[in-house]
Amino acid sequence: DTGVSQDPRHKITKRGQNVTFRCDPISEHNRLYWYRQTLGQGPEFLTYFQNEAQLEKSRLLSDRFSAERPKGSFSTLEIQRTEQGDSAMYLCASSLVLAGDNEQFFGPGTRLTVL
Amino acid sequence: AQSVSQHNHHVILSEAASLELGCNYSYGGTVNLFWYVQYPGQHLQLLLKYFSGDPLVKGIKGFEAEFIKSKFSFNLRKPSVQWSDTAEYFCAVKPRDSGYSTLTFGKGTMLLVSP
Repeated sequence: DTGVSQDPRHKITKRGQNVTFRCDPISEHNRLYWYRQTLGQGPEFLTYFQNEAQLEKSRLLSDRFSAERPKGSFSTLEIQRTEQGDSAMYLCASSLVLAGDNEQFFGPGTRLTVL
Repeated sequence: AQSVSQHNHHVILSEAASLELGCNYSYGGTVNLFWYVQYPGQHLQLLLKYFSGDPLVKGIKGFEAEFIKSKFSFNLRKPSVQWSDTAEYFCAVKPRDSGYSTLTFGKGTMLLVSP
C-alpha cells in the first residue's frame, strides 16, 4: 500500500502524559498536513510542512502541540501534558505541489483517547 | 477567514432515490472546492473537485457537483443512490489567493441508504 500511513492507529493515555504520533506520507509528496477531527465535526487544520519547513503553525491548538518533519519525509505530532479535551482523531494528509493547487491524500488517522 | 456550511447533518434515503447535499461557503475571494467522502471504516477520499472552468464537475461513482458562484454554493448530486453510497460526506474550501495551503471543512453529512 503506497498511501499515507499513520502510527499508531489508536492511543489511550492518561491525562498529563505526553503522546507522539507518526505520519508517513506518499513517498514523492512534498507537502504534509495535520488535522484534528472531533465527533460530529469535519477535520480542523492544525499545521503543514513543505519539505522540512513548517509553513503554518498558528493553528496548533496550544503550545502543548508541536510537529516536526526533520528530513522532509515522515512527520511527528507531539502533544504534551494531554488533557481530556485532546481526545480526537488526528489525521495526516500529503500532497505534491508542482504548480497550482493539488489534491490532499489522507491517512487513516490516529484515534487518541485521554482518560 | 473562510467557513463552510453543510445543510444537513443526517440524510436517509432509499436505494434509487436522488441525492442532493447542500454546501455553502463564505469567503470573499476565489476558491477551490472539494467534496470528500468517508466510507465506514475507511479514510477520507476525494470525491470531486472544482478549480476553474466548467462549474459542473463530475467525480467518481456517478457523483457530480455544481459551483454557483453567485450563491457561494457547491452542492453534491447523484441521480440514483446505492446502498454502497452510505458514508459521511464533507465539503471543503481552499482560498486560491491565500498563502495557506489548507482546507476548511464543513461538519459533514452522514448519508444512510437503505436497501
